[in-house]
Parts: sequence; C-alpha cells; structure tokens
Amino acid sequence: EAQVTQNPRYLITVTGKKLTVTCSQNMNHEYMSWYRQDPGLGLRQIYYSMNVEVTDKGDVPEGYKVSRKEKRNFPLILESPSPNQTSLYFCASSLSGNNEQFFGPGTRLTVL
Amino acid sequence: QKEVEQNSGPLSVPEGAIASLNCTYSDRGSQSFFWYRQYSGKSPELIMSIYSNGDKEDGRFTAQLNKASQYVSLLIRDSQPSDSATYLCAWPSGSRLTFGEGTQLTVNP
Repeated sequence: EAQVTQNPRYLITVTGKKLTVTCSQNMNHEYMSWYRQDPGLGLRQIYYSMNVEVTDKGDVPEGYKVSRKEKRNFPLILESPSPNQTSLYFCASSLSGNNEQFFGPGTRLTVL
Repeated sequence: QKEVEQNSGPLSVPEGAIASLNCTYSDRGSQSFFWYRQYSGKSPELIMSIYSNGDKEDGRFTAQLNKASQYVSLLIRDSQPSDSATYLCAWPSGSRLTFGEGTQLTVNP
C-alpha cells in the first residue's frame, strides 16, 4: 500500500529534551515536506526537501532541523523543544513540489 | 493580497443539499489545483485535482476551475453528515504547495 508513515503518533516530552519524529514514504517520491498545524493558523511549512541531500527552509523553520540521507526518509529533529512547539505535525510527499502531496497520519506533540 | 483565499466559513448545509466551496488565487500562472478534505485531528486527504479550465466530476464531487476569473470551486452534491470536515484548496507556488486556510463544512442531518 502506498503510504506515508510517521512515528511516533503521539509524544509528550519536556522542554529541552531532544526528539526526532520519523517520516517514511514508499512511493519513490522526490519531494518531502514537514508542516505544523495550529488552531486558526492553518498548515505552515517547516522544511522541505526536493531530493536526497537537498533541503530548504519553509515558513517556520526556527527550532527545527531536518535531514534527507535517503529518498524514503525525512526525519524532523527538535534539538531543544519548547512549549511553543506543541502542535500537530504532518509529513507529506509528492513526485515534485508542483504535484499533489500525500500526507502522513500526523504526530501530536506536547512539550511541557 | 493573500495568495489563496477561501470563502469564509463555517458553512452549514442540510443533508442532501449542495455545498459550494470556493477559492480565489492571485497567481495567473498556476496550472493545477487540489482540494483536500481534513477531518478534525486527522491528516489532509486529497479528494480532487484539476488541471484545466472547466469542470471535473468524481462521484458527488465536482471541481470547477476558471482561470480567467482566478477561482476554483468544489461542489458537493447530496451532502452527507460524513462530509462534515474542513476543506482546503491548494496550488503549486514555486517549489511548494500553497494551502488556503480552509473552510469548515457542517452537514446537518
């Protein structure tokens, strides 16, 4: 089944404790992206990657890191999480940046 | 001007009615548009893609694109309570998709 997977689905952590949210797709897509969604603010892009080893900032990159060492994986790293990063996070992938994107199930992160 | 503007919500329709959702966009060069449905707490799900002027039908859903007027719409016929969700329009902008803020639709039984 073609899909985008994310793990974990739910995470409660404390301020400053480094964490990684994994994202993997099995559709051989070139493009991958991370979004956060907060009430009243819509989907905001954090980082995106157009191909392996190519990443770029989205609208709200502060406090986040990403890497794209393999085509299928695009982990999101929070080196020192803060409460304002409490949010619902989505990973998405597509053939290219101009094509329809397919979303993972989401990760609900709470930073205390 | 915002790149994408969706008709203000929330939108409430009775079961069986036609729900009409609209998006206007500012970039005349855009060639394709997408409609996503998002249930509360769930991820956006692609329901329609449209690439050329005119209508595209898929079951109870019809997407309409008017490039001259720079709007795209989604019609949901015979609306069902299960259609209650937030609907997002999106279109390619550079190397990314731009998403509208979404219109919340409620279908009342």
